[in-house]
Amino acid sequence: QAQLVQSGGEVKKPGASMRVSCKASGYVFPNFGVYWVRQAPGQGLEWLGWISGNNGKTKYAQIVQGRVTMTIDKSTATAYMELRSLTSDDTAKYYCARGAAGAASTMAFDIWGQGTMVIVSS
Amino acid sequence: QSVLTQPPSASGAPGQRVTISCSGSSSNIGRNLVNWYQQLPGTAPKLLIYSDNLRPSGVPDRFSASKSGASASLAISGLQSEDEADYYCAVWDNSLNWVFGGGTRLTVL
Repeated sequence: QAQLVQSGGEVKKPGASMRVSCKASGYVFPNFGVYWVRQAPGQGLEWLGWISGNNGKTKYAQIVQGRVTMTIDKSTATAYMELRSLTSDDTAKYYCARGAAGAASTMAFDIWGQGTMVIVSS
Repeated sequence: QSVLTQPPSASGAPGQRVTISCSGSSSNIGRNLVNWYQQLPGTAPKLLIYSDNLRPSGVPDRFSASKSGASASLAISGLQSEDEADYYCAVWDNSLNWVFGGGTRLTVL
């Protein structure tokens, strides 16, 4: 069945960068996109952006615009999210989720990865 | 503060019906389709309802949703202990972002 498997947790120092991977299986990767969402401890969900699994087109949320880069590797059906200049406010569990290939706005987040905990601490 | 407003908590006894509201505006719920997610404790969110009122395969018909104007609601009938979870509404906003409600923690008494 379709699933997304994410990389393991990380601990980062303030000012550093993080990179989370999200490997897809069980479906045709280029036919869908990948959303990225985060959840700070005890808090709600926050959308970070979207990338097309077909052509790598991206749409980033304003809250991380300028600090985030999302990429794909179609050969391994893997999506990546890099977030730079980390602060303690970036401490959260980061999720990838499946979306539409053509646009950021058109599809519900129908399959989710297990989440990757990133802690930013000095 | 979330763009979409949900009550922080809701509760009901087993077998009862509960509803969870989600209030937005004309730039989001008022013009785009609403989705609902269920997050069981310690797990990733799961799609519960999409396109305002459609259930993915495998979601029991005890879960239903509706929308009117700039507000949406999720209803759970025949409440069961396994329904105890956090519930989030989400919708595309015309500011070009997906927005989520703050989440509602459902307690089964």
